[in-house]
Amino acid sequence: AQSVTQLDSQVPVFEEAPVELRCNYSSSVSVYLFWYVQYPNQGLQLLLKYLSGSTLVKGINGFEAEFNKSQTSFHLRKPSVHISDTAEYFCAVSEGGSEKLVFGKGTKLTVNP
Amino acid sequence: NAGVTQTPKFQVLKTGQSMTLQCAQDMNHEYMSWYRQDPGMGLRLIHYSVGAGITDQGEVPNGYNVSRSTTEDFPLRLLSAAPSQTSVYFCASTAVLGGTGELFFGEGSRLTVL
Repeated sequence: AQSVTQLDSQVPVFEEAPVELRCNYSSSVSVYLFWYVQYPNQGLQLLLKYLSGSTLVKGINGFEAEFNKSQTSFHLRKPSVHISDTAEYFCAVSEGGSEKLVFGKGTKLTVNP
Repeated sequence: NAGVTQTPKFQVLKTGQSMTLQCAQDMNHEYMSWYRQDPGMGLRLIHYSVGAGITDQGEVPNGYNVSRSTTEDFPLRLLSAAPSQTSVYFCASTAVLGGTGELFFGEGSRLTVL
């Protein structure tokens, strides 16, 4: 069964600094990978997804992620964060095109002025 | 642009009471699912459905029932609420045929069981 590990539960950064949120997954078959963002008291919205093709995926709000099959990782990056990026970020994986997503435990990103 | 609509947004129950969380989507999605979100636990799948009349269990199904009589609706029933079911519940849907796997989420239902 697949699983997702988000290595950091909390990441504090200063405004305009770069950030990387780490995600590793385990699966024995091909996977689809996703990053979702949850702002306070809201539902989840999709940031970006990897289905196939180029391993560097660009998403909304200046975020990007790189799929690394050999390291089973899908880390999320942004070169310069804003206060408005403060939120919780979830990495998720589905196996072989299944609709069922398995989520990591989340990383709370706090951007300080 | 309604998308996925959940009701109620907030609910307080006493132990042993029953209730139904409603979920409706207007995107003609075949797949619908319920997750619960607890601090430090991420989202865990409760039940899911790949079409009307078809439901299956996810990771944490105990204490919950579901049914899927129409494509649009996927209610989640708590038959006898317990304090351990205090959580935020999210309904999510996606297309199966021709879909890209992206789940569309409702805004959540916050349930407190006393």
